[in-house]
Amino acid sequence: QKEVEQDPGPLSVPEGAIVSLNCTYSNSAFQYFMWYRQYSRKGPELLMYTYSSGNKEDGRFTAQVDKSSKYISLFIRDSQPSDSATYLCAMTPVRNQGGKLIFGQGTELSVKP
Amino acid sequence: DGGITQSPKYLFRKEGQNVTLSCEQNLNHDAMYWYRQDPGQGLRLIYYSQIVNDFQKGDIAEGYSVSREKKESFPLTVTSAQKNPTAFYLCASRRGSGNTIYFGEGSWLTVV
Repeated sequence: QKEVEQDPGPLSVPEGAIVSLNCTYSNSAFQYFMWYRQYSRKGPELLMYTYSSGNKEDGRFTAQVDKSSKYISLFIRDSQPSDSATYLCAMTPVRNQGGKLIFGQGTELSVKP
Repeated sequence: DGGITQSPKYLFRKEGQNVTLSCEQNLNHDAMYWYRQDPGQGLRLIYYSQIVNDFQKGDIAEGYSVSREKKESFPLTVTSAQKNPTAFYLCASRRGSGNTIYFGEGSWLTVV
């Protein structure tokens, strides 16, 4: 079993829809959670960063962490065609030797105009 | 502009040849990383370095080598011992004790 599981999709939605992207994990030591967005043939860019449980909002994006269920989500409101990309979740424990991140497989999202 | 520069963007090599991918950062970050990305498999860590002249193997180090002679540079050599080298290679860096890493634009390596 992988430490982090992410539905690879692809996920296709109409413009304006609410998108929910999810990851589950098995290591209860994970405390820092990140979402990266990766456009085709580009490097990933950091989108959201959260610590422990709770919600964090940034514009149309909301990151949610439920540590009791070992489940994290990224919500995109009023989705736009420019949101079409692969979204990667990543996480790490508090005591992180080497600063290594554990990544999910990525979910490919397509927002249709 | 500050950032991570990877070169070349696209590289074709014949089977059996070694190839070196360049990674340079001007962010003054201490740690640097090399990841490999294959379709449907996410990112897998090849090597990482927390300080100059020191580096550690990641999860898939076999067939790869690195050096860290300067803080800003962390080149990756894909050797002929790597069984399946065709992939997208990503270099990343991290500032101090922070938990987030920042990526370069990647290098596409195709071995024919």
